[in-house]
Order: sequence, then structure tokens, then C-alpha cells
Amino acid sequence: DAGVTQSPTHLIKTRGQHVTLRCSPISGHKSVSWYQQVLGQGPQFIFQYYEKEERGRGNFPDRFSARQFPNYSSELNVNALLLGDSALYLCASSSGTGIGEQYFGPGTRLTVT
Amino acid sequence: EDQVTQSPEALRLQEGESSSLNCSYTVSGLRGLFWYRQDPGKGPEFLFTLYSAGEEKEKERLKATLTKKESFLHITAPKPEDSATYLCAVTQGGSEKLVFGKGMKLTVNP
Repeated sequence: DAGVTQSPTHLIKTRGQHVTLRCSPISGHKSVSWYQQVLGQGPQFIFQYYEKEERGRGNFPDRFSARQFPNYSSELNVNALLLGDSALYLCASSSGTGIGEQYFGPGTRLTVT
Repeated sequence: EDQVTQSPEALRLQEGESSSLNCSYTVSGLRGLFWYRQDPGKGPEFLFTLYSAGEEKEKERLKATLTKKESFLHITAPKPEDSATYLCAVTQGGSEKLVFGKGMKLTVNP
């Protein structure tokens, strides 16, 4: 079975630009969560979406936004990129029922120059 | 504020030298405690979920335990391929938001 997939794998952007990251959850999972992981730290929660509705939001500025599509895939958008946005962006897939595990994708490495 | 603290931050072991990693947490209404393994540049790989004090789970050389304030990840006779960063995370109440510790980098030398 395919796990969580994310694209692109790596991305280099310039300050002030916009970026879109994509995630496809495990088949049958209806919830997608996004996390940011900077070097040497644990992942930090950004958003959770379930059945196309936002279920939770972390302490990130409004430059960060996301959405979920009818097929449960998701996009994370970041506007007006800052150097500090350089990180590994992780997508996690779960059933969304509140019971069970979250499975992570391989991540997208974003570098802002 | 909810907090998850992992110790030690880094650990070097010789192959076969057993040890334990600690994860202490201060959250109200713990729903679940999760252990993940992460290799450099990759996404976290799910290992265990623990839901109540006294619960234990095992997988190969790893065993996770949970008390009311902390969890331990015991590594028995580790091998070099066990080298990775081990992450601990908690969820609380009805939220699926994972709150992670900083992780513990384990190096097992042959």
C-alpha cells in the first residue's frame, strides 16, 4: 500500500516569494495535518484538516494557509517567504476519528535564500 | 503550557549496550503518547502509541512504557541500524495535534 506522499521533495525559493506544497494521504484516511520541522527541533503543528474543514491551527502567522480537496489530498501555501521559513515541511495522515496513529510522509525540504 | 521533554539529547552506545530514553510530559488530559523514529532528512516513522499508565508495547529490540508523568523507550542489545533520532509526542483531549519533544539522537557504534 502506498504511504503518505509529498511533493516536491526539495524546493529553493527567494525571500518574498510564494510556495505551494502538496500531500496525498494514505488511502482511506480523511485527515491531513501539516508540521514544520527546523533543524535540531521536533516538528511543530501548523494545521489539521478533516473532511475539507480546518480542525486545528498552530501558532503560525497568516502567511501560512492550507486547504483539503474532495479526494482528501491537501496543499500548504506560504506567502511572502522569510529566511526563517526554511525547514522540512511534513504532512501526516490519519483516520481523523481521534483514535489511532498519524503517519508521516517523507517531507518537503524548503530552502529560502 | 504543555511541554514534552526528552532526555538525554544525544546518546552514544556500543553495539549490544542496552539503555533507556526518557520522555517526560506535562499536559492535562493526556490522550496518547507516541514514539517515532526519524532518519536524517526523512519523515518520522511511527513506532508506538501508549494510552494509559502501565501500558507497555514491544517491537523487536524496542520496548515503550508509560507512567502518569513519563514514558521510557528501552533499547535492548542495540545494533548500528538503530541509530536515528527518536521523537516523543503527546496528544490531549479531543485534539489530534501532536506536541513533540526536541528528539534524542541515538548513535550505536559497531
